[in-house]
Amino acid sequence: KQEVTQIPAALSVPEGENLVLNCSFTDSAIYNLQWFRQDPGKGLTSLLLIQSSQREQTSGRLNASLDKSSGRSTLYIAASQPGDSATYLCAVRETSGSRLTFGEGTQLTVNP
Amino acid sequence: EAGVAQSPRYKIIEKRQSVAFWCNPISGHATLYWYQQILGQGPKLLIQFQNNGVVDDSQLPKDRFSAERLKGVDSTLKIQPAKLEDSAVYLCASSLVGWKDSNTEAFFGQGTRLTVV
Repeated sequence: KQEVTQIPAALSVPEGENLVLNCSFTDSAIYNLQWFRQDPGKGLTSLLLIQSSQREQTSGRLNASLDKSSGRSTLYIAASQPGDSATYLCAVRETSGSRLTFGEGTQLTVNP
Repeated sequence: EAGVAQSPRYKIIEKRQSVAFWCNPISGHATLYWYQQILGQGPKLLIQFQNNGVVDDSQLPKDRFSAERLKGVDSTLKIQPAKLEDSAVYLCASSLVGWKDSNTEAFFGQGTRLTVV
């Protein structure tokens, strides 16, 4: 059974810092990995999708990497801003049945 | 392009009552997911449909939860009777299904926040 773990569970940083969120998964038989952002009381907004054949994807100040063989992904946020404060979730799409399995999330607070 | 629509946004019911949630996926998306997200946790898959067929319902508490997707488009999720521990946000998501599944992205609705008192 696929298990997805996110570390740390919570992170508080001052504005302007660069930071890294970690995601690990136990079964490398995946199609892709997706990073989502969730604001309080809201649904999930997709940030980046990395296909299993790719090593990284970039969007603005966000960069996500994927090492499928070791079961790890990182989300790098450059020059963090208070507006980045949210919960960040990673999810893997398994090759068996296309199930999408989530981690528990990292709650990020960026202090002005 | 319209996103995934869910209703209602909020619902408060007493335990042992029944409740239903509705989801309209993005047009043309064959795969539809229902997730339960308890406060402070990641979303947990309840059921996955491919068109109007069930692909995975292994984590659906079938004694009280049911879901259907008639005609392979809209879907409803029902809880009967509700328990206190069912208080959560219920998220619906949809995605295309194609042979290049590595590029398939899931899109989520705003969710329905259920409070059972």
